[in-house]
Amino acid sequence: EAGVAQSPRYKIIEKRQSVAFWCNPISGHATLYWYQQILGQGPKLLIQFQNNGVVDDSQLPKDRFSAERLKGVDSTLKIQPAKLEDSAVYLCASSLELALEGAQYFGPGTRLLVL
Amino acid sequence: KQEVTQIPAALSVPEGENLVLNCSFTDSAIYNLQWFRQDPGKGLTSLLLIQSSQREQTSGRLNASLDKSSGRSTLYIAASQPGDSATYLCAVPGNTGKLIFGQGTTLQVKP
Repeated sequence: EAGVAQSPRYKIIEKRQSVAFWCNPISGHATLYWYQQILGQGPKLLIQFQNNGVVDDSQLPKDRFSAERLKGVDSTLKIQPAKLEDSAVYLCASSLELALEGAQYFGPGTRLLVL
Repeated sequence: KQEVTQIPAALSVPEGENLVLNCSFTDSAIYNLQWFRQDPGKGLTSLLLIQSSQREQTSGRLNASLDKSSGRSTLYIAASQPGDSATYLCAVPGNTGKLIFGQGTTLQVKP
């Protein structure tokens, strides 16, 4: 079974530029999560999708971050414009359902450095 | 609001030692608790998931325990090896299934 795929693995941009990350979850997983992990901290949820609907985006900085999962499969996270404090690892995860009793599976992450 | 704390933030031990990593959570009404391992520059690998009805789970040299009433979990690593060096994270699901993580414990096992 293929795992969660993410691209790119690394990205370096200057502040005020735009950047987009892509995630393809495990086949058949209805729930998709985007987490932000700042160096030295645990991951924090940015947005959670159930199929193509948003379940939780309360921690997403909506003035600069956007995400979509149009066909209920893969997802794109965009930052426009980027700030220095957006430097972090962006992790995508998926689960079979809402996974209150089950596990989430994580991709390798995208490391973003904003200069 | 659920908060998860891990102590210590960093730990260095000689090879062969047994060690315990600690995780505490403020709301005891959890469905499960998961321990992850994160190697530098890598994603998260799930180590153990303990359901709320369980007291412990074992996988090889790893043993995780859960005490819901006190809001604590421990990850016990027996006979530590340099390959165990990594950051260990614990997490509990929030009400929508999103995971709420501790800040992690960075372990270094010296040969």
